[in-house]
Amino acid sequence: AQKITQTQPGMFVQEKEAVTLDCTYDTSDQSYGLFWYKQPSSGEMIFLIYQGSYDEQNATEGRYSLNFQKARKSANLVISASQLGDSAMYFCAMREGQAGSYIPTFGRGTSLIVHP
Amino acid sequence: NAGVTQTPKFQVLKTGQSMTLQCAQDMNHEYMSWYRQDPGMGLRLIHYSVGAGITDQGEVPNGYNVSRSTTEDFPLRLLSAAPSQTSVYFCASSYVGTGAHYEQYFGPGTRLTVT
Repeated sequence: AQKITQTQPGMFVQEKEAVTLDCTYDTSDQSYGLFWYKQPSSGEMIFLIYQGSYDEQNATEGRYSLNFQKARKSANLVISASQLGDSAMYFCAMREGQAGSYIPTFGRGTSLIVHP
Repeated sequence: NAGVTQTPKFQVLKTGQSMTLQCAQDMNHEYMSWYRQDPGMGLRLIHYSVGAGITDQGEVPNGYNVSRSTTEDFPLRLLSAAPSQTSVYFCASSYVGTGAHYEQYFGPGTRLTVT
C-alpha cells in the first residue's frame, strides 16, 4: 500500500486565487512528520513546509499553509494568492520514526498550472 | 556552503556499462539518501545512510550499490546499466539532532540515459 497518496495528477488555478493540493498518508507510527516540496521546471527540489504529528497548530510559511487533519490522515497544502511562479510539480512526503528510519517517502506529485 | 553537490549533471551510458554517481555535502549532515525520479512515479528511495559506515536499502535498490566511508560523501554505483535505470537521480542529506525535522536538502540531480 502506498504511504503517501496524491490523487490529483494535475490542477489548474487562476492567478491570485487560492488552491488546495491534496495529500493523504498511511502510518501506524505515533511520531511522524509531513513535508511539501516544490519542483519547478528547472528541476530542483525546494522544501516548502513541515508539519509534525504532535503539532497542534497547522503549519504556515508565507503563502503556504498545511491543513493537517490527523484523524483523516490528510495533510493538504493550501497556496493562497497564486502567482505565475507557483506553476510547478508539488510533492507531499512523510518521514516516520523508528520503523521508517526517518528518511521521507514521497507521493507521486501534483502538477499545478497557474493561469494569468 | 555549497550544500549538496552531484556530479555529473548528465550522463549517457550503454547497456552493461558501469559508473558511479557522485554526491557530496558540506553541512555535516548524518543522513544521506539517493532517490530516483521517473515520470508519474514521484521520488523513490534507492539506498540511504544514517552515518559513516552504515547503509541500508530503500524501495528500489536492485542494480545499485552504495558505500559511506566519510560523512561528506555518498556515491551511488551502477554495476551493469540497464535501460530501466534511465532516470533522474537525486542525492539528499538531512540534519539529525535536537529540533530536527529531517527535511531533505537535495542536490541538483543527475539525468542518466541508458541506451
